[in-house]
This record gives sequence, C-alpha cells and structure tokens, in this order.
Amino acid sequence: QVTLKESGPVLVKPTETLTLTCTVSGFSLSNARMGVSWIRQPPGKALEWLAHIFSNDEKSYSTSLKSRLTISKDTSKSQVVLTMTNMDPVDTATYYCARIRYDISLDYWGQGTLVTVSS
Amino acid sequence: QSALTQPASVSGSPGQSITISCTGTSSDVGGYNYVSWYQQHPGKAPKLMIYEVSNRPSGVSNRFSGSKSGNTASLTISGLQAEDEADYYCSSYTSSSKMVFGGGTKLTVL
Repeated sequence: QVTLKESGPVLVKPTETLTLTCTVSGFSLSNARMGVSWIRQPPGKALEWLAHIFSNDEKSYSTSLKSRLTISKDTSKSQVVLTMTNMDPVDTATYYCARIRYDISLDYWGQGTLVTVSS
Repeated sequence: QSALTQPASVSGSPGQSITISCTGTSSDVGGYNYVSWYQQHPGKAPKLMIYEVSNRPSGVSNRFSGSKSGNTASLTISGLQAEDEADYYCSSYTSSSKMVFGGGTKLTVL
C-alpha cells in the first residue's frame, strides 16, 4: 500500500525558510522511473507544481520559484525534503507531496499540509 | 511556464456528458503524450483520473475518458453522476523537463 505523508511547520514568519518532509511507504525512492513531486494550492486557488526528484536524482524546479527551492531525498529514510527560502504571505497554501511516474502523472498523493505565512 | 488554459466552470445534468478542455502549446500539451487529469473534491487531495492522454488507472470508472488534438487535451465524463461534482485539473510535461497544471475547472452537476 503506497502512502505519502507531509510534515513540517504549520506557521512560518515572513522571510523565514520553510522545510517540508515527505515520508513515503509502500515503494522505494530507488524504484526506477519513479520519484516524488511537490505541489501547492493556495486557499481557493489552483494547483501549482513546485519541484520533483526522480530515483536517479534528476531534479526539476518551477521556473518562477527555482531560486527559492531545493529538493533532496534520503532513500534510506524514505524521505524527500523541500526547502523554500524567503517565505511570504502569498506562499500560504496547502503543500502536497505525490509520487510521480515516468509518464509525469501523480498517482498517489499525501493528505497535504496547510502552511500559513504570517508574522 | 504558463498555466494550461481550462474553462473556469462547466455544468451538466445527471446522465448527460460533459467535456473539459485543456489548452497549452506545442511545448507542452501538443508536444508530448504526457497529459494527466485529476479530480479534487473539497478539502481532499487530488486523485489521478487519466494519464498519458487517455489511459485510466485501475479503479477509475470508464465513464471518464481523455483525448488530445493538437495543443488541446480534453476530458469527457459520460453518464454524469452527483459524485462527479468536483474540481478538475489537467497537467502536462513540458519541453524544459518540467510540469505544468491547468487553472482548474469546477464541474457542477445540476
């Protein structure tokens, strides 16, 4: 049974760095042609892709957020970590991690974690 | 990368069919067969409904179908049911090895 679970702070202050962890089970981060993606959704708004990392350590970032994002994985811990620097209130959103396949579809999703940026 | 273009809302009566469009460019939708569709009910995580333009994951009703013509992909839901009322998002692989979502479509079952 494949599951993903996001963890991290629910509240961050403007200018701080957000660190989110996605812990996976039911599959390995070393599985060929699979990886983990991060997606966010501001309240009442659309999904926005942020970044993904594949088993071969191939990484890709949203063009508009590239300078602020870092994605990494620890295969032994079954965890993928996303950091986002210089947080702003407009970054308030539910952050999801999801398993990404070779066909760039997201077949399993975490429940999401709401992160609020406020002083 | 710019978001793919979807209609903000569509509606239909139970039993009818509806189609949601997703328009991109030759650098995303038109250039690859890596278009997916997701269903999202309020307060829930999205669910994969279609991958690789027209393939359904195991467990997804065959009332859901996908297609593509040029730079526009489409999701068709036939035999509309009340439970289909949700937000729907398309996504595509892009030429810069990235991913892009559509702006989402709210489906109302009348």
